[in-house]
Amino acid sequence: QVRLQESGPGLVKPSETLSLICNVSGDSVTSDYWSWVRQSPAKGLEWIGYMTHSGVTKLNPSLKSRLTISLDTSKNQVSLKLTSVSAADTAVYFCARVRWSGWYSRNHYYYGMDVWGQGTTVTVSS
Amino acid sequence: DIVMTQSPLFLPVTPGEPASISCRSTQSLLHSNGNNYLDWYLQKPGQSPQVLIYLGSKRASGVPDRFSGTGSGTDFTLKISRVEPEDVGVYYCMQALQTPRSFGGGTKLEIK
Repeated sequence: QVRLQESGPGLVKPSETLSLICNVSGDSVTSDYWSWVRQSPAKGLEWIGYMTHSGVTKLNPSLKSRLTISLDTSKNQVSLKLTSVSAADTAVYFCARVRWSGWYSRNHYYYGMDVWGQGTTVTVSS
Repeated sequence: DIVMTQSPLFLPVTPGEPASISCRSTQSLLHSNGNNYLDWYLQKPGQSPQVLIYLGSKRASGVPDRFSGTGSGTDFTLKISRVEPEDVGVYYCMQALQTPRSFGGGTKLEIK
C-alpha cells in the first residue's frame, strides 16, 4: 500500500523559508510523478507543482521564483522549499502521487493524483 | 491559464436520489491523443482529496459505479446515480492538460 506523509514546521515567520518533506512508502520516488497541492480558505485548492521521476519540475508560475521541489532518492522523499513566505502562504500542504507516463511515452497512461498524504498545516505568522 | 468553473456551489440531495455537478473550462481539455484531461476529486470532511474520475470518464480504482463522468472539450459532468450518506463532501474538478493545473471552486454535497 502506498502511503505519503507530509511533515514540516507548522509555524513559519514572514520572510523566512518554508521547508516540507513528503515521506513516500510503498512506492519509489524514482517512478511516477510527485505533486504538491495546497488548500486555503481564500484560494481553495491550488496546484503548486510537480517533479517527475527523471528530475524534471513543473512549477506554478505564481510561485516559481520562490519555489523548489526536489527528490531525495536515498530517503525516498519529496521536498518543497518556499522562500520569502507571507501570510498568503498559510495553507494545508498536500503531497500527491501522479500516475502518469508523461506526454511522450510510447505506452501512455494517466490515472490522476491517485494517492495523497494527509496534509500538513502551515501558518505564516510572526 | 485555464480557469475551471463548477456549479452548483451547494448541492443538497436526498439519499437514493441522483445528483449532478457541472464543470466548465476556458479551454478545451481534449488532447490530440483523444483523451480529455479532466479529473474529479472528492474531499470528504476532515480528509484529503481522493480521485474519483480521471480522463473525464474513467473511474478510479475502488470507486463505486454509481459515480460516472461525462463530457468532452470544455463541458464536463459528474453524476451520482443514487446518492448515499458517505458521498457527502466537496467535489472538485481539475484540468490536467496544461500547467499550471487548475481546480474548480468546489461543490459541496450535503444530505437533506
